[in-house]
Amino acid sequence: EAGVAQSPRYKIIEKRQSVAFWCNPISGHATLYWYQQILGQGPKLLIQFQNNGVVDDSQLPKDRFSAERLKGVDSTLKIQPAKLEDSAVYLCASSGAGARHEQYFGPGTRLTVT
Amino acid sequence: KQEVTQIPAALSVPEGENLVLNCSFTDSAIYNLQWFRQDPGKGLTSLLLIQSSQREQTSGRLNASLDKSSGRSTLYIAASQPGDSATYLCAVAYNQGGKLIFGQGTELSVKP
Repeated sequence: EAGVAQSPRYKIIEKRQSVAFWCNPISGHATLYWYQQILGQGPKLLIQFQNNGVVDDSQLPKDRFSAERLKGVDSTLKIQPAKLEDSAVYLCASSGAGARHEQYFGPGTRLTVT
Repeated sequence: KQEVTQIPAALSVPEGENLVLNCSFTDSAIYNLQWFRQDPGKGLTSLLLIQSSQREQTSGRLNASLDKSSGRSTLYIAASQPGDSATYLCAVAYNQGGKLIFGQGTELSVKP
């Protein structure tokens, strides 16, 4: 079974530029999560989708971050314009049905804003 | 406020030692708890998941315990190896399919 796929793996941009990240969850997983992990900290949820609907985006800086999950499969996370403090690893995770609801993570995208 | 704390932040041990990593959470009404491993520059690998009704889970040399009443979990690693060197993260979910709230991690170094 293929895992969660993310691209790109690394991205360097200048502040005020825009950037987009892509995530393909494990096949059949209805729930998709985007987390932000700043160096030395644990990941923090940005947004959660159930199929193509948003469940929780309370921690998403909506003035600059946006995300979509068209057709309930792939998802994209966009930052426009980027700030220095957006430098972090962006992790995508997915979970399927069943009582365990174990979350499986992708390799992440490391963003550096200069 | 729901918070997760991990102590210590870093740990260095000689190869072969048994060790314990600690995780505490402020709100004991958890749905489940997961332990993850993160290698430098990589994503998170799930090690063990404990449902709220369980007391422990085991996988190979790893054993995770859960004490909801005291708001604590421990990850026990037996006979540590240099390949165990990584950051270990504890995370809790408070509802089915809900977000994970993570601790800041314990960076483990196992010396040959």
